[in-house]
Amino acid sequence: GAGVSQSPRYKVAKRGQDVALRCDPISGHVSLFWYQQALGQGPEFLTYFQNEAQLDKSGLPSDRFFAERPEGSVSTLKIQRTQQEDSAVYLCASSPARGVYNEQFFGPGTRLTVL
Amino acid sequence: GQQLNQSPQSMFIQEGEDVSMNCTSSSIFNTWLWYKQDPGEGPVLLIALYKAGELTSNGRLTAQFGITRKDSFLNISASIPSDVGIYFCAGGALVDSSYKLIFGSGTRLLVRP
Repeated sequence: GAGVSQSPRYKVAKRGQDVALRCDPISGHVSLFWYQQALGQGPEFLTYFQNEAQLDKSGLPSDRFFAERPEGSVSTLKIQRTQQEDSAVYLCASSPARGVYNEQFFGPGTRLTVL
Repeated sequence: GQQLNQSPQSMFIQEGEDVSMNCTSSSIFNTWLWYKQDPGEGPVLLIALYKAGELTSNGRLTAQFGITRKDSFLNISASIPSDVGIYFCAGGALVDSSYKLIFGSGTRLLVRP
């Protein structure tokens, strides 16, 4: 079955480059989440969409991070002027229901390495 | 901010043994979820708990939502090699006026055949 997919799976960027990470949620899922997972740690919340509306972006670490979901389906997480501390796995999750309390289904993640 | 203390950090057990891991917090959570993550993959949901005191099983896995709403445990019975992975607890709570899932730092499970 079609789960959450993310692309690219791996991205290497030079410091200062801009990157764009894509998430394709499960079809029909209302809610979409982005998380950042540092090595050896659990995922940390970045931002939450309900359909096309970004309801919570309190976890974005700086104004270099920007996420969008213009048609309420595919989402893109953009990081401008990447820094070494941005190196992490970026996970996308979707949920069929509204609100963060409902079960979230994760994609495989994009591993970003900033040199 | 709110934090979850997940323990143990790692376990190395013999195949067939039972496993227990838990998460505690000084804060109250409204939801507890348990996930398993394999290398290079995203977390996969194992069990979701929505009520204090709730005890739920999924095959050899059993999890409970603590009555104080500040803790949860996950038990795995009769472990097998494919149980190897990292297990995360996640608590749902109101943080900074917004509901979020807060993840523990994980329990790495290794199973010796």
